[in-house]
Amino acid sequence: ETGVTQTPRHLVMGMTNKKSLKCEQHLGHNAMYWYKQSAKKPLELMFVYNFKEQTENNSVPSRFSPECPNSSHLFLHLHTLQPEDSALYLCASSQEGGTSHEQYFGPGTRLTVT
Amino acid sequence: GQNIDQPTEMTATEGAIVQINCTYQTSGFNGLFWYQQHAGEAPTFLSYNVLDGLEEKGRFSSFLSRSKGYSYLLLKELQMKDSASYLCAVRDENYQLIWGAGTKLIIKP
Repeated sequence: ETGVTQTPRHLVMGMTNKKSLKCEQHLGHNAMYWYKQSAKKPLELMFVYNFKEQTENNSVPSRFSPECPNSSHLFLHLHTLQPEDSALYLCASSQEGGTSHEQYFGPGTRLTVT
Repeated sequence: GQNIDQPTEMTATEGAIVQINCTYQTSGFNGLFWYQQHAGEAPTFLSYNVLDGLEEKGRFSSFLSRSKGYSYLLLKELQMKDSASYLCAVRDENYQLIWGAGTKLIIKP
């Protein structure tokens, strides 16, 4: 238990569906992240929020839309996804401005796009 | 471009020692992290190196040489539960983490 929760843990959706992934951190951190993890590939940073402000958007397609209503919650809204978007989506949080800045990860949402 | 290299897979024997290497080429350097990830679970933080040398934490140690762009994770007295993927990540000049693809470690009895 890392203090970061994600729901749902598994999601199967068609290419025309709209769904949202939710992340909540209970660590009092000020930064939150969305990552995509595909088999045998490095973690891909998608979005970064510092103090609820989006600071990074690493050329992510517009079919992925993040939302950070407060420093404890992060959403990833999904619409008209493609089969190649099937992956494990990981949320993480960290305390920026400290010493080591290690990130704490949630268990992930396993997404399958059919 | 930025790059992190680590072996794809390694096999070791229970009770033995294994060293997982990581080399990096990044724009700037602000620390190197090692994470452990069991299959189907979240990555968990293992170690952080920002200065050259060895950091020891129980059975796990991590070494850094900034001049060589090189780190290793040393696991001693291997246990079956150490079977996992080990991820190397470097924080670049913009304080963004650049990740390796991970090393899958298989422990045999």
